[in-house]
Amino acid sequence: GAVVSQHPSWVICKSGTSVKIECRSLDFQATTMFWYRQFPKQSLMLMATSNEGSKATYEQGVEKDKFLINHASLTLSTLTVTSAHPEDSSFYICSASGLAETQYFGPGTRLLVL
Amino acid sequence: ELKVEQNPLFLSMQEGKNYTIYCNYSTTSDRLYWYRQDPGKSLESLFVLLSNGAVKQEGRLMASLDTKARLSTLHITAAVHDLSATYFCAVDIQGYQLTFGKGTKLSVIP
Repeated sequence: GAVVSQHPSWVICKSGTSVKIECRSLDFQATTMFWYRQFPKQSLMLMATSNEGSKATYEQGVEKDKFLINHASLTLSTLTVTSAHPEDSSFYICSASGLAETQYFGPGTRLLVL
Repeated sequence: ELKVEQNPLFLSMQEGKNYTIYCNYSTTSDRLYWYRQDPGKSLESLFVLLSNGAVKQEGRLMASLDTKARLSTLHITAAVHDLSATYFCAVDIQGYQLTFGKGTKLSVIP
């Protein structure tokens, strides 16, 4: 099956710093990538949808300037959490879909902001 | 706004028993997905249901879809401890944007 990787798998940073998370589709071209956020014991919340070469579409309530998304190629999307604060601590999961439209999920990145 | 409701949210069951998780959604949808999530891990795809009356089975899990009732079920047969996890249904709208239910945390007790 299609494989999606994320890097890093976990990160600890100080408040005020920026953190970049990479999402890669390893064996297929992902025309669309999605970024989700999951708080403990809660469901996944879609943050944004990005198409290769286009600006990301953010869900209501998600700050564009805080969560910068770049989808520069058909196999790579990045999420940068700028000026991170403790409330940004969460589990971030990306997914990628190609022509078949099925979403394949990455293993997730756990972010802890101190 | 699409709403996806799962019930129950918590389920504790004994090994060997059968049970069903329900997923109701509020708007016509193209596809319905079931996922499994183990603690600290990402999502594992279980089933994709594409049409009314679709039924899929894998091991002790069977999923079905009734698009007229906007209802999907995930049936667990003769539960074993390894099935302990959180199960999410997700509904596909507007192409392939997923809306997730809140999840059902299943604990199978020996």
